[in-house]
Amino acid sequence: NAGVTQTPKFRILKIGQSMTLQCTQDMNHNYMYWYRQDPGMGLKLIYYSVGAGITDKGEVPNGYNVSRSTTEDFPLRLELAAPSQTSVYFCASSSPMLTDTQYFGPGTRLTVL
Amino acid sequence: AQKITQTQPGMFVQEKEAVTLDCTYDTSDPSYGLFWYKQPSSGEMIFLIYQGSYDQQNATEGRYSLNFQKARKSANLVISASQLGDSAMYFCAMTLRKRDDKIIFGKGTRLHILP
Repeated sequence: NAGVTQTPKFRILKIGQSMTLQCTQDMNHNYMYWYRQDPGMGLKLIYYSVGAGITDKGEVPNGYNVSRSTTEDFPLRLELAAPSQTSVYFCASSSPMLTDTQYFGPGTRLTVL
Repeated sequence: AQKITQTQPGMFVQEKEAVTLDCTYDTSDPSYGLFWYKQPSSGEMIFLIYQGSYDQQNATEGRYSLNFQKARKSANLVISASQLGDSAMYFCAMTLRKRDDKIIFGKGTRLHILP
């Protein structure tokens, strides 16, 4: 059972480039989330999804896009990368059960130069 | 709106002492869940403990316990007999698990265990 997997682990982008951060979970969870964590800070929710075909904005959605075509996958797209998007990105998933925790991926460390 | 507040940005504690990490929350919804996560220097997020708003007893998981005071809207994490490996960042989080709801995290407390 792999849980939540994220690729790539590290990436360096130039300003203005685009990329997609991949996230896959094999626990059949309905809920999936993208967070960013800036150095020394807490997690901020970028986007989340309560099921395939349904996505909603979180606290800091500007500069990002998501899609959820399957239950398993929840890719995060960065368009026109900016230095302010330098961060560690975490994907997480959970079931709708109130008692269920979120399961986190290992994170993607992104640097925009 | 929901809010999680962790007022201790950093703490230093002697090894083997008990530690209390503070967390207060704000919500008008009667049904919610509270979580604590540990983030060591390696970066992964590790689930520690969960407390539901309707749970009658405080949650416990090994050396971790959650001091849940509903009237005060506080959900402090207590670590008994601290160990060097407990040095990490600790996050409190809350969920309502409703459609269109967002799960939110506090800003975290960095715990340093001293030998």
